[in-house]
Amino acid sequence: AQSVTQLDSQVPVFEEAPVELRCNYSSSVSVYLFWYVQYPNQGLQLLLKYLSGSTLVKGINGFEAEFNKSQTSFHLRKPSVHISDTAEYFCAVKDTGFQKLVFGTGTRLLVSP
Amino acid sequence: ETGVTQSPTHLIKTRGQQVTLRCSSQSGHNTVSWYQQALGQGPQFIFQYYREEENGRGNFPPRFSGLQFPNYSSELNVNALELDDSALYLCALSGGGDYEQYFGPGTRLTVT
Repeated sequence: AQSVTQLDSQVPVFEEAPVELRCNYSSSVSVYLFWYVQYPNQGLQLLLKYLSGSTLVKGINGFEAEFNKSQTSFHLRKPSVHISDTAEYFCAVKDTGFQKLVFGTGTRLLVSP
Repeated sequence: ETGVTQSPTHLIKTRGQQVTLRCSSQSGHNTVSWYQQALGQGPQFIFQYYREEENGRGNFPPRFSGLQFPNYSSELNVNALELDDSALYLCALSGGGDYEQYFGPGTRLTVT
């Protein structure tokens, strides 16, 4: 069964500093990978997705992620964070044959002035 | 713009009762998935409907059931509510060929 591990439950960072949120997945088949953001009391918004092709994926709000097949990782990065980036971030994996998403437990990004 | 809507926004029920949650959109996406997100956790897949039939199910008991209608709107029904059913319930639409799931804002269910 597929699984997703987000190693950091919470990442505190100062405004304008860079940040990396880590995600590792386990799967023996080809997968599609996603990062979602959830603001308080809201649903999930897609930040970016990897389906195929270039391993560096750019998303909304200045976020990017790199797919590393050998390390089964899909880490999310942003070179300079804003206060408004404070939210919960979820990594998810979907196998190519089914629409089900498997989510990690989430990483809370806390940006302070 | 998929404009996924869910109703109600919040709901409080008593243990043993039944609840129906609703999901709709005007986007025409033909696949709907339901997820349960407990506090502090990631969403967990409940089941998926495609063309009005269940197309996959997660590790949830039969008291969780669903429907999809010809206009692709959907319902999630939970019978015999338990305290652990307290969670945010999310529906997600897909099937547009872009492999993305578009999430609604969720329904917060509290079971007392």
